[in-house]
Order: sequence, then structure tokens, then C-alpha cells
Amino acid sequence: DIQMTQSPPSLSASLGDKVTITCQASQNINKYIAWYQQKPGKAPRQLIRYTSTLVSGTPSRFSGSGSGRDYSFSISNVESEDIASYYCLQYDNLPFTFGSGTKLEIK
Amino acid sequence: EIQLQESGPGLVKPSQSLSLTCSVTGYTITSGYDWSWIRKFPGNKMEWMGYISYSGSTNYNPSLKSRISITRDTSKNQFFLQLNSVTTEDTATYYCARYARGFAYWGQGTLVTVSS
Repeated sequence: DIQMTQSPPSLSASLGDKVTITCQASQNINKYIAWYQQKPGKAPRQLIRYTSTLVSGTPSRFSGSGSGRDYSFSISNVESEDIASYYCLQYDNLPFTFGSGTKLEIK
Repeated sequence: EIQLQESGPGLVKPSQSLSLTCSVTGYTITSGYDWSWIRKFPGNKMEWMGYISYSGSTNYNPSLKSRISITRDTSKNQFFLQLNSVTTEDTATYYCARYARGFAYWGQGTLVTVSS
């Protein structure tokens, strides 16, 4: 199985800040990474697929980049509605595997 | 618009089987895509469990391979999860989702607690 090492486990940011979350895969995943936002009691929402492609409806303040084993996800100009947990998912190889999640809080 | 909805018992006894249904509206599950089960444990770890494809083939996470079965009823546009010999470690929120280069559509999730 491909292991996805996600960091940091939690983030505290001020409104308007830029935050970045990283995921490192245990092997090359050929850019097949997606990023999800999950709010309490809700289903995960896909924000980005294939490293940097924003899913329809995803605000432009969200972005993704990376290649090989190393990937990052950023939120510029953090807003209060961005309070949530964020997960990466690799879908290059079965079984699909998720990162351990990052909880974003507002200072 | 496509919608998925999980249903099933919220409490299962250890050693018994967990059975859940995912009802899909707005898209016919035999038309395309792969239809997955994913779970989120109380500590927030997420695990992809397996999928049934639009053609009916299945693929399971090897960590569950001996205990899991995913089937479907095409007449009802539903697919099902059965997980055998459950333990307290199977307590989780279970989601069904549609896979297409990632999981763009999810059900709301259903909490299943394994306890005597």
C-alpha cells in the first residue's frame, strides 16, 4: 500500500493568512492526488483532483501543486468558512489511501 | 443531480455482520464509474474499503479482503456493503461514494457502532 504522510496535524491561522498542507507519498503517485475538505457532521467535499485541478465550485483561493512523491495544498486569504479538516487521497494505485488529516482552526 | 444515501443498523454486536445500503438517485449505477465504500474511524483515519464497478466487478482493500463483500441491486439502483466478523475496531462512520479520478460525490455517512 502507498502511505500518505500528511502534515501538519493541525494549523492555527488568522483570517487572511495563507496556509499550506503537505502530503508525501511513499512512492511516486504520478500526480494522482486529490484534496478534500470535511466539516463536522458532513461528507467530505472534493476541492482539487490531479494535483492542481480545481473541482467545479472550488474557490480560487484554494490551490495544489507537486509531483513525484511530494504534494502541497494551499489556502490563500483564509476565510472563516474554511474552518474544517483537510485530507489528501492518492488514487494512483489500489488500495486508494488517505492522509491522516489536518485540522484548520482560526486564531 | 446525483445523490447517495447510506442506510442500515447503527449498532452491531461483535462477531456479527455489518450490512449497509447505498441508494443512488440522479444516476444509474450501471451507466458508468466505480461505486465505493469508505469509512472514517473515531480517530479521524479514513480507509477506502472497496468498490463495485458499473459492470459489476469488485475490488477490495486487501486489509479487508476476507471479510468484505460489495454487491448491488440494479433494479433498485442500490449497492451494498457486508462486513463479516466485526469487532469494536470496525466502529466508524461509513460513506458510500462515486469514484471518478477521486470521489466527487458522497453520501452523508452513517455511524455504525460495534458493541455488545
